[in-house]
Amino acid sequence: DGGITQSPKYLFRKEGQNVTLSCEQNLNHDAMYWYRQDPGQGLRLIYYSQIVNDFQKGDIAEGYSVSREKKESFPLTVTSAQKNPTAFYLCASSTRVPETQYFGPGTRLLVL
Amino acid sequence: GDSVTQMEGPVTLSEEAFLTINCTYTATGYPSLFWYVQYPGEGLQLLLKATKADDKGSNKGFEATYRKETTSFHLEKGSVQVSDSAVYFCALRNPRNSGGSNYKLTFGKGTLLTVNP
Repeated sequence: DGGITQSPKYLFRKEGQNVTLSCEQNLNHDAMYWYRQDPGQGLRLIYYSQIVNDFQKGDIAEGYSVSREKKESFPLTVTSAQKNPTAFYLCASSTRVPETQYFGPGTRLLVL
Repeated sequence: GDSVTQMEGPVTLSEEAFLTINCTYTATGYPSLFWYVQYPGEGLQLLLKATKADDKGSNKGFEATYRKETTSFHLEKGSVQVSDSAVYFCALRNPRNSGGSNYKLTFGKGTLLTVNP
């Protein structure tokens, strides 16, 4: 089945530690996105990538980094510079004409 | 900038009641409008969309009409079920934004719907 997978479902981060969230899609979509969801806040865009080897900052990129070495994969690293990382992280993808974005099941990041 | 405003929740209804969740937007030009649904512990699923004025999106008994004159895209369902309990997000994409930002979805804060049997 075509879709987007995210792993792990839950992730725990210690103080000062970098952690990487995985996002893989087999929809043959060119564009991929990372959103952060906080209670009562809706979704906010962290980074997006329109094509392999290219990505742009979204509204809240500070403390995060990404790479796009393969069309299918768009991992997100939450660095130690992100002081409030506890949230639900959602990955999405779309075609180059991005009329509809399709979302993965999400990863919940918690700080120990 | 672009923005989406949804009615605040939570909304609690009995099974078979009529549902309306209000959504209004601010954007230049003619944005595309979306409703997404999020079931507990899951990602977002596209529920319906409309890409131009007076279009009606519909899916699974839900409907929403793109009203340019009132900048609204209210979600309605005639008879809700317990299985409709979820968080509903209204969103827009503005193709008028320059460069890559026309890829961006702008979301409302979400409305929690609980349907009791």
